[in-house]
Amino acid sequence: RKEVEQDPGPFNVPEGATVAFNCTYSNSASQSFFWYRQDCRKEPKLLMSVYSSGNEDGRFTAQLNRASQYISLLIRDSKLSDSATYLCVVADNYGQNFVFGPGTRLSVLP
Amino acid sequence: EAGVAQSPRYKIIEKRQSVAFWCNPISGHATLYWYQQILGQGPKLLIQFQNNGVVDDSQLPKDRFSAERLKGVDSTLKIQPAKLEDSAVYLCASSSLAGFYNEQFFGPGTRLTVL
Repeated sequence: RKEVEQDPGPFNVPEGATVAFNCTYSNSASQSFFWYRQDCRKEPKLLMSVYSSGNEDGRFTAQLNRASQYISLLIRDSKLSDSATYLCVVADNYGQNFVFGPGTRLSVLP
Repeated sequence: EAGVAQSPRYKIIEKRQSVAFWCNPISGHATLYWYQQILGQGPKLLIQFQNNGVVDDSQLPKDRFSAERLKGVDSTLKIQPAKLEDSAVYLCASSSLAGFYNEQFFGPGTRLTVL
């Protein structure tokens, strides 16, 4: 079993749609969680950190379920500019052992 | 504020040759990471430095890969000798601390092709 698994994708959605990405992790010792975004042939950039209580940033909502070792990202009112690959990342509580998932590609269509 | 700098941006070599990549992190960032990203996959951490000390190199293929960060600032990653499967983008990232939720800032990467 891979350490971090994500929906295989790609997701093709129309503008304005709501889309959800799922991520599961195998290491129960993981303590910090992130979603990074990576545009085609570009470097990854932090989209948002994921906190235990869940957090929201504009159209983006992240949820964490430690019991199920599951992280989600919800994007509401999708924009063309949201087209990218979304990477789930987990790390331990020392800020070490960063593991990236394989990513889920999103294409928002006009 | 200047971002993470990497060079070269592209490199093409033949198998069994050697290659080196350079990274200059954001000024003041104590933690530096090297990742390997194979096409279609997520980045894989190769090595993590805290200042000039190694804190995690568990996934670095030490028989052919080496990395150093002698003065706790810039870093080099070397592959000697290269194999076909080393073709990938090598990403350098830095963060201000190796803390709980510190953001990593990535450089543009070096795209390596091994023929």
